[in-house]
Amino acid sequence: GAGVSQSPSNKVTEKGKDVELRCDPISGHTALYWYRQSLGQGLEFLIYFQGNSAPDKSGLPSDRFSAERTGGSVSTLTIQRTQQEDSAVYLCASSLYAAQETQYFGPGTRLLVL
Amino acid sequence: TQLLEQSPQFLSIQEGENLTVYCNSSSVFSSLQWYRQEPGEGPVLLVTVVTGGEVKKLKRLTFQFGDARKDSSLHITAAQPGDTGLYLCAGPYFGNEKLTFGTGTRLTIIP
Repeated sequence: GAGVSQSPSNKVTEKGKDVELRCDPISGHTALYWYRQSLGQGLEFLIYFQGNSAPDKSGLPSDRFSAERTGGSVSTLTIQRTQQEDSAVYLCASSLYAAQETQYFGPGTRLLVL
Repeated sequence: TQLLEQSPQFLSIQEGENLTVYCNSSSVFSSLQWYRQEPGEGPVLLVTVVTGGEVKKLKRLTFQFGDARKDSSLHITAAQPGDTGLYLCAGPYFGNEKLTFGTGTRLTIIP
């Protein structure tokens, strides 16, 4: 079966523009996570969905960041008025149920803000 | 803020040597996972340890969970170039559903 997919794979944008990043989780997985990874370092948690609701938004770095999930499937991470410090790899993962389950990661979206 | 520190941050060794990577925290985990990430890809789960003191082996890789469930180690025997990658530990702290990831160890095996 298909794994987690993310689009676009690469995104270059100008400072101040808005960007949307998409994640398609594994079919049937109820939990979905967004992480940010800078320069091949560890992962920074952004937000977690269980179904369509987000019990934990504590990792979103500012109110410029938002995410939604519809139909218990696809999720979109939106960054408004992008800043250069937003440049990073944005990773999405899904798991069957809760965080203790194995998380399956997508290949990530590499965002560069000029 | 709960932190998961990994050491060393970078490690470059010759093929055939042994190495150990450490993952430490001041807080207790309910379980701990190890992932490996290769360039351009997302992390892939290697193992999950659940019980304090638990040891799991995956071919040449040996994973140990500390008795107090605050730390873990990954030992690789006779390292191969295919072991090259970023190794990440991650765990849900007790009472928390989300995974906290470690700072990562970037391993390079030189043929």
